[in-house]
Amino acid sequence: EVQLLQSGGGLAQPGGSLRVSCGASGFTFRNYAMTWVRQAPGKGLEWVSAISGSGGSTYYADSAKGRFTISRDNSKNTLYLQMNSLRAEDTAIYYCAKDRTAVAGGDFDYWGQGTLVTVSS
Amino acid sequence: IVMTQTPLSLSVTPGQPASMSCKSSQSLLNTDGKTYLYWYLQKPGQSPQLLFSEVSNRFSGVPDRFSGSGSGTDFTLKISRVEAEDVGIYYCMQSLQPGLFTFGPGTKVDIK
Repeated sequence: EVQLLQSGGGLAQPGGSLRVSCGASGFTFRNYAMTWVRQAPGKGLEWVSAISGSGGSTYYADSAKGRFTISRDNSKNTLYLQMNSLRAEDTAIYYCAKDRTAVAGGDFDYWGQGTLVTVSS
Repeated sequence: IVMTQTPLSLSVTPGQPASMSCKSSQSLLNTDGKTYLYWYLQKPGQSPQLLFSEVSNRFSGVPDRFSGSGSGTDFTLKISRVEAEDVGIYYCMQSLQPGLFTFGPGTKVDIK
């Protein structure tokens, strides 16, 4: 059974940093691209970042470029999102999602449970 | 690419059909012949779930009362007979270019 178990997140001050993690099981992690999608309170879905199965290709939304870093450790079956220079508008539930191919294609067949990131002083 | 969805809200009587539209600001047909349009459903309090890939490929476990259609810039999701479990927000998403994915604003479906 495919499972994506998220951890991390919480409260950070504006300008601060946080890291969210996504532990994967039930599939060969290195064979699939992974992505992060967020949802601000009461708002719709916003794609944030994606990474290929090998980790050799990474992609970012304009809102995340220069501040967020996506990475993966295929030996630990874990996906990460390091968030720096946080702003109030980064407050959201962050979801990790598995792609159906090794390249970042937008075909997200499994999703994590979500983790809340709150940026506030 | 900008995605628009209509209507933004839909109230349906159980057993009746429902239809919602998704439009993209440019064609989602790639040179590989595939159209990179996806449908996701977010039920209340849950993570999103995949309904359709590449316009009309139903994901495993999705009931056949759901159907996806369209081409180019205009796409439609239909529910032939709405059930109570279908409530939630339906999002279309394009992925024409790697790493430049955009969701539509969503269509919220509830039961009358």
